Amino acid sequence: EIVLTQSPGTLSLSPGERATLSCRASQSISSTYLAWYQQKPGRAPRLLVYATSSRATGISDRFSGSGSGTDFTLTISRLEPEDFAVYYCQQYGSSPSYTFGQGTKLEIK
Amino acid sequence: EVQLVQSGAEVKKPGESLRISCKGSGYSFTSNWISWVRQMPGKGLEWMGRIDPSDSYINYSPSFQGHVTISADKSIGTAYLQWSSLKASDTAMYYCARLGRTGGVPAICDYWGQGTLVTVSS
Repeated sequence: EIVLTQSPGTLSLSPGERATLSCRASQSISSTYLAWYQQKPGRAPRLLVYATSSRATGISDRFSGSGSGTDFTLTISRLEPEDFAVYYCQQYGSSPSYTFGQGTKLEIK
Repeated sequence: EVQLVQSGAEVKKPGESLRISCKGSGYSFTSNWISWVRQMPGKGLEWMGRIDPSDSYINYSPSFQGHVTISADKSIGTAYLQWSSLKASDTAMYYCARLGRTGGVPAICDYWGQGTLVTVSS
């Protein structure tokens, strides 16, 4: 079973700064099957990025994804107040399985 | 507009049964798998299982196999998650999500329901 480990657990930044969130897989995964979600308090998660680097419909170009193999990154270029939330990475495996990371909380500094 | 609308919050006692629902609209319900995802209070997301509404073929996560039942009624565009005997540890928010395809595979949760809060307490 593949485990996704996200770091840091909490990231404290100010609006306008750049955020870099990491997702590391316990073994190599296909970049086609790596996605990122945003969840705000009391709300359902929302798909941000799929296939490592493709933005979902309606997602700002301030969000970008990259990576391959075991290391993947979500970057938010200029933080807006509405970006402070919890972010999850997720991978699809052929069992089938859908594994989520434990989440990174992005909070206002 | 794709929408998944879930049934309302439930408060149940241990040992009781429960079925919650997820109604899809704005797309062809039989064209996409539906997944169920659990989020326990203050915790992360856990995949429970998925169903293909076109033929009701189901895959369960090993962690949830035998503890819940997933079903769907394609005639009314609705998926279900049910328990025969609830436990306090089933207290959580439950989300349904439509599975979108990448690389030809239903690999991503591209639309989510609003969630159903299930509280199990004596």
